[in-house]
Amino acid sequence: RKEVEQDPGPFNVPEGATVAFNCTYSNSASQSFFWYRQDCRKEPKLLMSVYSSGNEDGRFTAQLNRASQYISLLIRDSKLSDSATYLCVVLDTGRRALTFGSGTRLQVQP
Amino acid sequence: DVKVTQSSRYLVKRTGEKVFLECVQDMDHENMFWYRQDPGLGLRLIYFSYDVKMKEKGDIPEGYSVSREKKERFSLILESASTNQTSMYLCASSLERGVTEAFFGQGTRLTVV
Repeated sequence: RKEVEQDPGPFNVPEGATVAFNCTYSNSASQSFFWYRQDCRKEPKLLMSVYSSGNEDGRFTAQLNRASQYISLLIRDSKLSDSATYLCVVLDTGRRALTFGSGTRLQVQP
Repeated sequence: DVKVTQSSRYLVKRTGEKVFLECVQDMDHENMFWYRQDPGLGLRLIYFSYDVKMKEKGDIPEGYSVSREKKERFSLILESASTNQTSMYLCASSLERGVTEAFFGQGTRLTVV
């Protein structure tokens, strides 16, 4: 079983749509969680951290459910520029390194 | 801005060659990482380092070694390149052991023929 699992997609949505990505992680001791964004042929970049209380950054909302070991990302009012791969990332506190999911590809269409 | 620079964007090497991938960061970060990224498998951790001259194995260290002689530089070495090491290699650095944010280089696309 992979440590971090995501639906690879692709998710094809029209502009203005709301889209949600889910991610599950296997290590119950994990303490820090993130969403990274990776554009085609580019390096990953931090999109947002995920806190237990949930957090919002503009059109983006991240949620964490520790009991179910589940992380989500909600994007409202999708823009063409949101087209990218979204990587769910968990901090392995034992060795203090990031573990990445394989990513969910989003394609926003006009 | 944090800058993580990898020495090459594209590299073609022959099977059996010794290959060096270099990574330099300019923000005095303690932690440095090497990942490889393959379709459907995502980023997998090869090696990482918290300090000069120290290194830790990641999930797929076989066939690789690393060197960190200076804080800003972390090198990945393929001792004897094989075709299954054809991949995108990404170097990253982060400031603290908590790894609040990792900054990546632009990647090196290595092809072993």
